[in-house]
Amino acid sequence: SAVISQKPSRDICQRGTSLTIQCQVDSQVTMMFWYRQQPGQSLTLIATANQGSEATYESGFVIDKFPISRPNLTFSTLTVSNMSPEDSSIYLCSARDSSYEQYFGPGTRLTVT
Amino acid sequence: QQQVKQSPQSLIVQKGGIPIINCAYENTAFDYFPWYQQFPGKGPALLIAIRPDVSEKKEGRFTISFNKSAKQFSLHIMDSQPGDSATYFCAASRGTSGSRLTFGEGTQLTVNP
Repeated sequence: SAVISQKPSRDICQRGTSLTIQCQVDSQVTMMFWYRQQPGQSLTLIATANQGSEATYESGFVIDKFPISRPNLTFSTLTVSNMSPEDSSIYLCSARDSSYEQYFGPGTRLTVT
Repeated sequence: QQQVKQSPQSLIVQKGGIPIINCAYENTAFDYFPWYQQFPGKGPALLIAIRPDVSEKKEGRFTISFNKSAKQFSLHIMDSQPGDSATYFCAASRGTSGSRLTFGEGTQLTVNP
């Protein structure tokens, strides 16, 4: 199974600023994803991070707000841009290996004041 | 067509009981059905998964039952323990590399000592 780490684990940010979340996987994976989870709720897919090309965004999420990079098979970043209090949430990195099993990182808890 | 409906929303059992969490899906193209366990402050952890070529899969105290004709699958936890208290999510996807998981709404399980 893939082990996923995220940095930072939590942050408190001011309105209007941006935060970049890093995701590192301990092995090469076929796909990487970014999710958002509000406390007590299910997971919402933000985008699929594609290596070497632009991420694929889900409905309601746009690149200008959530730019994503994936420079190689084990690393990705998600930036939350021009933050507002509505962006306060848990952001989860996920990766899928060749067996189609999908694993999650520990999450980044973001509070926007 | 993409929904996965999960029930109940919350569940309380006594230690040693057998909680059962149910999920129903609509998309007949789904052929991979994982369950995730999430503790507070942690990312979801892959617990067990099943493909529709079998009707049941056991891993330790966790069992998935799958009913293809009814488009339903369920998680049973044998001899439940207080340490099993967590939120459980079912999910479904097509078993192809590009397919993304569709999650249920989650079930908060409490196992009383």
